[in-house]
Amino acid sequence: GQQVMQIPQYQHVQEGEDFTTYCNSSTTLSNIQWYKQRPGGHPVFLIQLVKSGEVKKQKRLTFQFGEAKKNSSLHITATQTTDVGTYFCAGPHNAGNMLTFGGGTRLMVKP
Amino acid sequence: DSGVTQTPKHLITATGQRVTLRCSPRSGDLSVYWYQQSLDQGLQFLIQYYNGEERAKGNILERFSAQQFPDLHSELNLSSLELGDSALYFCASSASGGVTDEQFFGPGTRLTVL
Repeated sequence: GQQVMQIPQYQHVQEGEDFTTYCNSSTTLSNIQWYKQRPGGHPVFLIQLVKSGEVKKQKRLTFQFGEAKKNSSLHITATQTTDVGTYFCAGPHNAGNMLTFGGGTRLMVKP
Repeated sequence: DSGVTQTPKHLITATGQRVTLRCSPRSGDLSVYWYQQSLDQGLQFLIQYYNGEERAKGNILERFSAQQFPDLHSELNLSSLELGDSALYFCASSASGGVTDEQFFGPGTRLTVL
């Protein structure tokens, strides 16, 4: 079945360094969503990408959807301690009407 | 605050027992989703309801069942509990239940099975 894989699983960075997490699907996705879960919190929707090659920015966060719509990335410029959390990508399951979440990338930022 | 409420916040029970988790969706949302998150794990989709009807099913065990009521709140029933069922259970809601919908997650119910 369809899988959505995320790498890396964990990332430690020094505050001010950049961070990137990658999401790869075994099948073409019609759309991809990104969520952030702070420690002890619940996932919160960040953004959705729909078009091939789409790039969207939210302040220091840049989201990309691959040309083949099988991969996506989230890049954070100059990380801050407020960026700490787990970032999940999610894409539609090819068998139905549900989202398949990647395993997440846990970001830790040293001040 | 996402607008999605879940009760209880914490639940501690013993193996073999049965529990019910409750979720009220955001006002106006017709679809409810249930997810399981084990320690340091990703989000495992369990089941989705739309306006009272089951719409999609994920890796939900036969010991687990759910329903969505006419007032749109949902309950997840977990029976014959095992140690491995200990996890955080999230409910999410969305407007129309489509895969392009933004999902709004509740605060979760932490279940501990002893």
